[in-house]
Amino acid sequence: GAVVSQHPSRVICKSGTSVKIECRSLDFQATTMFWYRQFPKQSLMLMATSNEGSKATYEQGVEKDKFLINHASLTLSTLTVTSAHPEDSSFYICSASGLAGTYNEQFFGPGTRLTVL
Amino acid sequence: AQSVAQPEDQVNVAEGNPLTVKCTYSVSGNPYLFWYVQYPNRGLQFLLKYITGDNLVKGSYGFEAEFNKSQTSFHLKKPSALVSDSALYFCAVRDMSTDSWGKLQFGAGTQVVVTP
Repeated sequence: GAVVSQHPSRVICKSGTSVKIECRSLDFQATTMFWYRQFPKQSLMLMATSNEGSKATYEQGVEKDKFLINHASLTLSTLTVTSAHPEDSSFYICSASGLAGTYNEQFFGPGTRLTVL
Repeated sequence: AQSVAQPEDQVNVAEGNPLTVKCTYSVSGNPYLFWYVQYPNRGLQFLLKYITGDNLVKGSYGFEAEFNKSQTSFHLKKPSALVSDSALYFCAVRDMSTDSWGKLQFGAGTQVVVTP
């Protein structure tokens, strides 16, 4: 199946700093990428949907100025958590869909654990 | 709007016994249904999907699921559970009639615990 990678897998930062997380589709062109947030033992919460070359569409309640999403190419999307605070600590998962698979199937990355001190 | 319900927070089963994880859904159009498994601190691993066709879908690691349109259910099953099946399982649905981007709605998840 199609492979999606995320980098870094784990990051620890100080409060007030910004953190960038990369999501790459390794063997297919991802026309759409999704960013999810997951708290311990909870479900995935969709944060935003991004299409290559367009502005991301954020879900209700997600601050677009805090969670900056860029989808500049068909293989890379980035999520930047700006001025991170401890409450932003979470597990962030991306997924990608596009020309691989059928019916715009989503392929998931391994996730990034963010800890804000 | 689409929604997914996983009524059980946790399912406990002894190794070798059948495993069932329940899922019901609600969509306005035709559903596109998935099951994923998640191990601690890992992303989601795809198990199986239903798009159309045969109601019984076979997937990875011996899992299968049956699509029941009248009961709007898509329960995950495995005839003989293994200790290594202990993980968090998510059911997800996409409404094929209303969503062109492929957005998924996830259930709350069911923790499966298989004891030796």
